[in-house]
Amino acid sequence: EVQLVESGGGLVQPGRSLRLSCAASGFPFDDYAMHWVRQAPGKGLEWVSGITWNSDNVGYADSVKGRFTISRDNAKKSLFLQMNGLRVEDTAFYYCAKDILVGSSRFSALDYWGQGALVTVSS
Amino acid sequence: SSELTQDPAVSVALGQTVRITCQGDSLRNTYPTWYRQKPGQAPVLVIYGKNNRPSGIPDRFSGSNSGNTASLTITGAQAEDEADYYCNSRDNGGHLVVFGGGTKLTVL
Repeated sequence: EVQLVESGGGLVQPGRSLRLSCAASGFPFDDYAMHWVRQAPGKGLEWVSGITWNSDNVGYADSVKGRFTISRDNAKKSLFLQMNGLRVEDTAFYYCAKDILVGSSRFSALDYWGQGALVTVSS
Repeated sequence: SSELTQDPAVSVALGQTVRITCQGDSLRNTYPTWYRQKPGQAPVLVIYGKNNRPSGIPDRFSGSNSGNTASLTITGAQAEDEADYYCNSRDNGGHLVVFGGGTKLTVL
């Protein structure tokens, strides 16, 4: 059974940093691209960032480019999101999601999602 | 442009057919993906590729494309289909992803 479990969320002041983690199990983690998607309370989904299986290619939404960094540790089956310079508008549930394609250099559909970690940016 | 546009809300009578649309230039070159999200839950993949359903998704769900418009059709909507539906696609380079604003489906 595929499982994705996010951790590291919480309350943080504007301008500070936070690091999210996603622990994966139930599938060959190092074969798949992974993504972070966020959802502000009562709002729609927003893709934040993605990383290919071998970390050769990464992508970021314009809203987080230059502030957020995605990374992965295939040996530990973990995905990370380092969030610096947090803003009030970054407040959201952050979902970790698995890409559907094996070994692809491109991003595709997201077939499994975690339950999300809440990040609240407030003074 | 990589933006995707969806109608904010759509309603359908129980057992009838409903089509949820998604518009964007990127859809001329790539198939969209459709997700369903119920309140308090994570999104669930519904349709991907040309018209593929993951296991567990009923065959009343289908997808289609025409030009810059993609559609998710539910044939014989059920009460449990009431949810928010999102489309997404990637850009031509394959490393940027965008979601539509979502459509709230109400089953009457």
